[in-house]
Amino acid sequence: EVQLVESGGGLVQPGRSLKLSCLASGFTFSNYGMNWIRQAPGKGLEWVASISSSSSYIYYADTVKGRFTISRDNAKNTLYLQMTSLRSEDTALYYCARHRAVRGFDYWGQGVMVTVSS
Amino acid sequence: EIVLTQSPTTMAASPGEKVTLNCLASSSVSYMNWYQQKSGASPKLWIYGTSNLASGVPNRFSGSGSGTSYSLTISSMEAEDVATYYCLQLSSYPLTFGSGTKLEIK
Repeated sequence: EVQLVESGGGLVQPGRSLKLSCLASGFTFSNYGMNWIRQAPGKGLEWVASISSSSSYIYYADTVKGRFTISRDNAKNTLYLQMTSLRSEDTALYYCARHRAVRGFDYWGQGVMVTVSS
Repeated sequence: EIVLTQSPTTMAASPGEKVTLNCLASSSVSYMNWYQQKSGASPKLWIYGTSNLASGVPNRFSGSGSGTSYSLTISSMEAEDVATYYCLQLSSYPLTFGSGTKLEIK
């Protein structure tokens, strides 16, 4: 069974940093691209970042470019999102999702909440 | 950036009613994916590659479209279909979602 479990969220002050993790199980992690997607309270879905299976290709939304860094450790089956210079508008539920070709984001985690507030 | 515009924003349908949700892209895309999100839950892949149902999706659902215009259709609305539906384009980065259509039951 495919499982994605996010962790590392919490309350953080504006301008500070936070690192999210997503532990994958039930599939060969190193064979799949992975993504972070977020959802602000009461709002829609926003794609944040993508990373290919071997980390060769990385893409970011303009809203986080230069502040967030996506990475992965295939030996640990873990996806990361390092978030710096956090802003109030980064407050959201952050999901990690597996990327499978045309199927796109075929499995999602339960999400982890990040609240940026003083 | 390809902007996806979903319509309607909200709609209510009666049990048994046919429902059509629309997604209009600002530029042509190769295909469209759809996600279902129920309140308090993570989104689920619902339709991929424009017209392919994800595993476990009832066959009253269908998807169609090409170029810049795509749609998700429910042939006969059921109570369990109450959710927000999002379209997603994967043709070019940045990847973009539509703003969603909230589907309710009358």
